Amino acid sequence: SQQGEEDPQALSIQEGENATMNCSYKTSINNLQWYRQNSGRGLVHLILIRSNEREKHSGRLRVTLDTSKKSSSLLITASRAADTASYFCATDIQAGTALIFGKGTTLSVSS
Amino acid sequence: KAGVTQTPRYLIKTRGQQVTLSCSPISGHRSVSWYQQTPGQGLQFLFEYFSETQRNKGNFPGRFSGRQFSNSRSEMNVSTLELGDSALYLCASSLLTAEETQYFGPGTRLLVL
Repeated sequence: SQQGEEDPQALSIQEGENATMNCSYKTSINNLQWYRQNSGRGLVHLILIRSNEREKHSGRLRVTLDTSKKSSSLLITASRAADTASYFCATDIQAGTALIFGKGTTLSVSS
Repeated sequence: KAGVTQTPRYLIKTRGQQVTLSCSPISGHRSVSWYQQTPGQGLQFLFEYFSETQRNKGNFPGRFSGRQFSNSRSEMNVSTLELGDSALYLCASSLLTAEETQYFGPGTRLLVL
């Protein structure tokens, strides 16, 4: 069963715009991670935020976590065509367990 | 450091056959996880191995099995293939535990005819 659900399923924007995607999950977590996948390839880790953190930045990425609402958001600022990919959130239910991935948001950035 | 490698990259099999996929983790990583990715079900966790022991298992039938060797390399096996097993199989490694940052291989695309 899916732990995380991303929203929207698909997002189309122009280069230079910001892209925001959201993830909601069902049970308490230790960490939440975001990954990117380019067309049928392996996933690339973007950022990990722990349950006691509220916001984290990495380059053009900003991730927030609201454990009371069981939700997270990923903001990509000043999007580029190279950001075109699927983005997944992944959560662990407790330490030592596997990561459970959502179904992803497909982002398309046009120039 | 070399990344996670998976072999083969592409595979075509027929129903009823079995298949073995291989994964070499990043040097020093001891946890190896396997995922199945399909358009309909998304990324689903198969199992995780650590120090040659299966530590976590997803909700897949017994036809799906795996193992890990002393050098942390891992294999997964699918017996009696079904059409629905067509998918991208992804392997990921992490240093110690599956909830840490995972480093993914490029995947093996399996087509069952």
